Amino acid sequence: AQSVTQLDSQVPVFEEAPVELRCNYSSSVSVYLFWYVQYPNQGLQLLLKYLSGSTLVKGINGFEAEFNKSQTSFHLRKPSVHISDTAEYFCAVKTSYDKVIFGPGTSLSVIP
Amino acid sequence: NAGVTQTPKFQVLKTGQSMTLQCAQDMNHEYMSWYRQDPGMGLRLIHYSVGAGITDQGEVPNGYNVSRSTTEDFPLRLLSAAPSQTSVYFCASQGAGYGYTFGSGTRLTVV
Repeated sequence: AQSVTQLDSQVPVFEEAPVELRCNYSSSVSVYLFWYVQYPNQGLQLLLKYLSGSTLVKGINGFEAEFNKSQTSFHLRKPSVHISDTAEYFCAVKTSYDKVIFGPGTSLSVIP
Repeated sequence: NAGVTQTPKFQVLKTGQSMTLQCAQDMNHEYMSWYRQDPGMGLRLIHYSVGAGITDQGEVPNGYNVSRSTTEDFPLRLLSAAPSQTSVYFCASQGAGYGYTFGSGTRLTVV
């Protein structure tokens, strides 16, 4: 079965600074990878996904992620964050025959 | 489009009571899931369904029951509520491309 690790539970960053949220997964087969964002008191919203093809994936709100098969990673990046990016971010993994498994989440706090 | 609709948004139960959390989607998605979200633990899968009449267990199914009589509806039943079931519950449906659409959640407190 697959699993997901998000190494940083909390990431504070100053406004307009770059940010990287780390995600590593374990799986013995090919995977599909996702990042979701959860704003306070809301449900989760899909930011971006990797299914196949180019390893650099662009999503909404200026976020992007890079799939690295050798390092089994799918880190999320944004070159310049805004106050409105303050939220919880979840990495998730799925195989073609298995369920979606979520990581524990990373709380991004953007400091003015 | 409404997407995924969950009701109620908030609920307080006494230990031992039963209730049903409702979930409906209008996107004709076959795959639907229920997750619970607890601090520091991310989302844990309770039950899921790959289509009407087909359900299966996730990571934490104990104390919960589901059925899927139509494509649109996927209710979650708490059989005898316990304080350990205090959580935020999310229903999600999955369309083409495997991305989930989530409902807005039900915040449940069991006292």
